[in-house]
Amino acid sequence: EIVLTQSPATLSLSPGERATLSCRASQSVGSYLVWYQQKPGQAPRLLIYDASNRATGIPASFSGSGSGTDFTLTISSLEPEDFAVYYCQQRSNWPYTFGQGTKLEIK
Amino acid sequence: QVQLLESGPGLVKPSGTLSLTCTVSGTSISSSNWWSWVRQPPGKGLEWIGEIFHSGRANYNPSLESRVTFSLDKPKNQFSLRLTSVTAADTAVYYCARDPGRSSGFDWGQGTLVTVSS
Repeated sequence: EIVLTQSPATLSLSPGERATLSCRASQSVGSYLVWYQQKPGQAPRLLIYDASNRATGIPASFSGSGSGTDFTLTISSLEPEDFAVYYCQQRSNWPYTFGQGTKLEIK
Repeated sequence: QVQLLESGPGLVKPSGTLSLTCTVSGTSISSSNWWSWVRQPPGKGLEWIGEIFHSGRANYNPSLESRVTFSLDKPKNQFSLRLTSVTAADTAVYYCARDPGRSSGFDWGQGTLVTVSS
């Protein structure tokens, strides 16, 4: 099973700041890496697929990068609605696995 | 636009069987998609349970494989999850999702909370 480790566990920033979230895989997943955003009481929302492709309707402030074992989700300028929990998921091997999440909170 | 809606009992007794159904609208479950189940214990992260293809082929998470079964009901455009011998550790929000393939992400249902308690 591929283990995904997200860091940091919690990120405290202010609106307007830049956020950088990391996801590291225990073995290569190629580019089969997805990012989701989840707000309290809601289902996850697809942000990025194939490591760097924005899903439909996702603002350009969200970008993904990386390949192999190291991936990054960047939010260039935080809006109030961006504060949430972010999960990465690998689609390379079964069982598909998720990272433990990064909570992005308002400083 | 695809929509998915989970339904089933919100309370299951320990050692019993958890059964959930996902009703799909906006596309046919006979299309070239995998249909997945994911769960999330209260306050915790996401766990992939497994997925089923329109052919009936299924992939299960090894951690649950001995207790879980998926099925399809094509006339009703539904797919289902059955989890046996449940314990309190199976208490979670259960999500169904559409999986268009490896080079994509999931389209999610709203989720349903299932509590295992006597």
